[in-house]
Amino acid sequence: NAGVTQTPKFQVLKTGQSMTLQCAQDMNHNSMYWYRQDPGMGLRLIYYSASEGTTDKGEVPNGYNVSRLNKREFSLRLESAAPSQTSVYFCASSYDRVEQPYEQYFGPGTRLTVT
Amino acid sequence: GQQLNQSPQSMFIQEGEDVSMNCTSSSIFNTWLWYKQDPGEGPVLLIALYKAGELTSNGRLTAQFGITRKDSFLNISASIPSDVGIYFCAGQLSGGSNYKLTFGKGTLLTVNP
Repeated sequence: NAGVTQTPKFQVLKTGQSMTLQCAQDMNHNSMYWYRQDPGMGLRLIYYSASEGTTDKGEVPNGYNVSRLNKREFSLRLESAAPSQTSVYFCASSYDRVEQPYEQYFGPGTRLTVT
Repeated sequence: GQQLNQSPQSMFIQEGEDVSMNCTSSSIFNTWLWYKQDPGEGPVLLIALYKAGELTSNGRLTAQFGITRKDSFLNISASIPSDVGIYFCAGQLSGGSNYKLTFGKGTLLTVNP
């Protein structure tokens, strides 16, 4: 199993450009998440998807959109990138079964710089 | 939002020493998780705790779910150089969404060989 995979690993954008970050998991997990990690701020939830076809806002959703394409894939889109969106982005997934209700497993991250 | 206070912020120790770090909150949590993040990588789940008072080990790592449900501790025994990284605690808030974890800001551990 590859676990949670993310593409691309690195990206540089100019202000105003758009891009989509891709995430896929092969663990048959129900829930998927997008976080951003900034120095001194820890991990902050952008959006999450409790199941295929549903998405909900997290703590910092402004400037982002998401799509839960199917059970495996959850993408994050920046429509018009801003320097404040320079960050490391992590995708995570969790099974949410009774025995392991909240254990989230993370991908390797995408390092995004907006100039 | 809810806050998890993780301490210390950083530690610099000698190889072979034991390490202790903790997370505290003014709120009650149902679950505590401990993660480790290596430089340039994503967080990796180390230990999950589901019951107040629970003590769980994973190799040289031991974590405890505080009896008040407002804190958790992680101990690393006989540290080695590969223990270097950032350790995060995370909790699922009692009465909160099943899908949201609250994260501490991390403890940066440096091990001097």
